[in-house]
Formats: sequence, C-alpha cells, structure tokens
Amino acid sequence: GNSVTQMEGPVTLSEEAFLTINCTYTATGYPSLFWYVQYPGEGLQLLLKATKADDKGSNKGFEATYRKETTSFHLEKGSVQVSDSAVYFCALSDRNTNAGKSTFGDGTTLTVKP
Amino acid sequence: DAGVIQSPRHEVTEMGQEVTLRCKPISGHNSLFWYRQTMMRGLELLIYFNNNVPIDDSGMPEDRFSAKMPNASFSTLKIQPSEPRDSAVYFCASSYRGNNQPQHFGDGTRLSIL
Repeated sequence: GNSVTQMEGPVTLSEEAFLTINCTYTATGYPSLFWYVQYPGEGLQLLLKATKADDKGSNKGFEATYRKETTSFHLEKGSVQVSDSAVYFCALSDRNTNAGKSTFGDGTTLTVKP
Repeated sequence: DAGVIQSPRHEVTEMGQEVTLRCKPISGHNSLFWYRQTMMRGLELLIYFNNNVPIDDSGMPEDRFSAKMPNASFSTLKIQPSEPRDSAVYFCASSYRGNNQPQHFGDGTRLSIL
C-alpha cells in the first residue's frame, strides 16, 4: 500500500535559518506529491505540489523536488520567518488508487523563534 | 471564491447526545472527504465520496458514526450517541477528482464531548 514518512518533529529554528523537512514515500504507481501547511486553528492548505519525477514545486520561498530515484520530496526554505511556524504535512495521491484520495504523513511541527 | 465551509466551528455537548457536523464543498468539486484530527492519532480519513456516492468508509470508527451526501453541495457527519473519546477536530475537504488535484480543507469543527 501507499505510505508517507516524514521527519519527526518538533523542529525549532531561529529566524533566517535554513529549513529542511524530510519526506519519503512508498507508492504502487505514479503519485503526485504535495506539501500542506496547517496554521493554528485552521485547516490544512496546499503549500506546493509536483506531479511527475524531477518536477520542482515552489511557493512562498518553499521548494521541494520530486525525486523518483530516492522516493523523496523534501521541503526546503532558505530563510525561515516567525510566521512560518506551523505544522507541515507531506502527502501523495496515486492514480492507481481511488481517484482523489490522498495519503498523509504524520506532520512536522515547526517553531521559528525571533 | 468561497472555500469549504464547515459548521458549527465549535460544539460542546454532553455524552450521549447526537452531534451533526455540516460541510459545504467548493462548487464544482466532485470529491469530498471527512477527517478527524487528534493529538494522539493525528489526521485520520473517516470517509470519502465521489459524485455524492460513498466510496470508502473503512475509516469510520464505529457504527455510531454515519455520513451522508444528499447532493453535490452538502454533506453531514453524524455521531449518535456521542462519547468523550469522540472529542477532536473534524475537517471536511473537497477536490476535483484526479490524482494531481489537491484537497481544499475547511477550518474544521472543534468538538468537545463532556
């Protein structure tokens, strides 16, 4: 079956530090990959996505590259801000399963200190 | 463009009472998902619908939980009778059917069963 494994948190960084949150996946087909972000008291919202190997998704200074050879989709940001404090979820959607259903990682909590 | 709308945002009730959570998906989306989020268990998929038809309800914890989608613009999740262990944040999400389509989440219903 499909699975997503995320780097365990929580992660605490100082403002302007470099961020990496690791994500690896297992899928039977050719998944699309997503990063979602959840701010306190809100639902998850899409941060970025990549739909095929070697695609790079980017948004708000965050980037992630779809690496088929290592089955990874690590999230990176060069300089984090206090406002980036949130929970980050890696997810995949596999066209070989029922369309639209996603498999989510456990989430990684990021705290950025001023 | 209106997002996914959930109601109520907060619900506090006594155990044994019936609880009904409501969701209005984004217009035009044909997949709808109900999730539950707790600190202990993380984000769990309860049930999802494609074109108003339930596709997979294997995540519904027990017979006390039921979900309906009478039309494309409305869904309910009902718990009867409610128990304290049902306390959680319940999210509704919708998407276009397709593996490269992200899910759009509502802001959730925070449910407390006393």
